[in-house]
Amino acid sequence: SYELTQPPSVSVSPGHTARITCSGDVLAKQYGYWYQQKSGQAPLVVIYNDSERPSGIPERFSGSSSGTTVTLTISGVQAEDEADYYCQSADNTDSYTVVFGGGTKLTVL
Amino acid sequence: EVKLLESGGGLVKPGGSLRLSCVASGFVFSKYRMNWVRQAPGQGLEWVACITTGSSHVFYSDSVKGRFTISRDDATNSLHLQMNGLGAEDTALYYCAREAVGVIQFYFDSWGQGARVTVSS
Repeated sequence: SYELTQPPSVSVSPGHTARITCSGDVLAKQYGYWYQQKSGQAPLVVIYNDSERPSGIPERFSGSSSGTTVTLTISGVQAEDEADYYCQSADNTDSYTVVFGGGTKLTVL
Repeated sequence: EVKLLESGGGLVKPGGSLRLSCVASGFVFSKYRMNWVRQAPGQGLEWVACITTGSSHVFYSDSVKGRFTISRDDATNSLHLQMNGLGAEDTALYYCAREAVGVIQFYFDSWGQGARVTVSS
């Protein structure tokens, strides 16, 4: 089975840059996606296809990929960015399965 | 505006059954693959099941395979999840999620607000 590994927590001061990594073998052959989940809300996709940003998502959110790791970068972090962030990928080579990372709690100090 | 509205959650005893539904609006439901994703209290996201367009294929996570059945009714823009043999480990908020259109991209671009399922005696 596939696994995606994220750090449980990341802390950053307002205006600084936060980077959240996600590692897993599936990322070497499939795209990575990132979701933001604020308390009591449904998840919201902030990055798709490793580095694409959906319309309406602020430009300070960006994504990158290298080998088996994808990274979510939030530049100029704002207080409103405090949330849980989940990476996700999927594989359809044999059947179809979706995998989420364990989530990273972003704290804005 | 895309809307997904889940219903059918509740309290059920271990070994019991429950059927969740999700009514979609604001888009052509029949053109999209649909999924269920759950989140146990205080925990992360876990994919549960997927149904393709035309109900041609269904896929399940190993944790629910053989117990849960995903289905859809394109005439009523509805997605369903029949859950049998429920255990405490199935206690979670169950989200209905639309999968983005694309040949090689598999992510969820719209989510409902969730239906809460509690399995307890």
